[in-house]
Amino acid sequence: SYVLTQASSVSVAPGTTATITCGGDKIGSKSVHWYQQKPGQAPVQVIYYDSERPSGIPERFSGSNSGNTATLTISRVEAGDEADYYCQVWDSSSLHYVFGTGTKVTVL
Amino acid sequence: QVQLVQSGAEVKKPGSSVKVSCKTSGGTFNTYGIYWVRQAPGQGLEWMGGVIPIFDTTHYAQKFQGRVSISTDESTSTAYMELSSLRYDDTAVYYCARVRPRYCSGGTCSEYFYYGMDVWGQGTTVTVAS
Repeated sequence: SYVLTQASSVSVAPGTTATITCGGDKIGSKSVHWYQQKPGQAPVQVIYYDSERPSGIPERFSGSNSGNTATLTISRVEAGDEADYYCQVWDSSSLHYVFGTGTKVTVL
Repeated sequence: QVQLVQSGAEVKKPGSSVKVSCKTSGGTFNTYGIYWVRQAPGQGLEWMGGVIPIFDTTHYAQKFQGRVSISTDESTSTAYMELSSLRYDDTAVYYCARVRPRYCSGGTCSEYFYYGMDVWGQGTTVTVAS
């Protein structure tokens, strides 16, 4: 089955840039979506189709995808960005959605 | 504005079944996909399966094959997820989420996985305890 790997945690200072990676075999050939989840809340989509932002998501959130790594970048990090972030793909060979292991972003 | 509203918390005994509902409002229900994701305490998101009513198609994660059943009632715009033979490690928050097509024309739709899961329900806590 297809596996997506994320670092368990990332710590960043306010105003700097957070980079969250998602590794998978030839993930660049798949469409990657990203979700933000704050404690006690349902996930919220922050990026779809590798780099598109849903309505209402700040421009500070951006995404890219190439080779074996997809990346979510949060620019000018704010305290409110502290959350868990998950990548996701649709694996067309197994007809399964797959989530990454999740990355906890801590704002120092 | 599409909204997904899930049924309330459940406490179940091991070996029993639970059925969680997800009522949608707004939009065209039968063209969406409704997918289910669960999250055990302190753990990550786990995809369980889903349904696309317009194609009468269901997808189930291999882990839950034979134990999960996902269905819809188009008359009430509601999707259901039933999990049977409950175990203690099925204790989790269960979410439904919408997947919408990129294109719809002539009574059919396509590219369901372009947008990902763009709208989520509030979650339903299922506790398995004796």
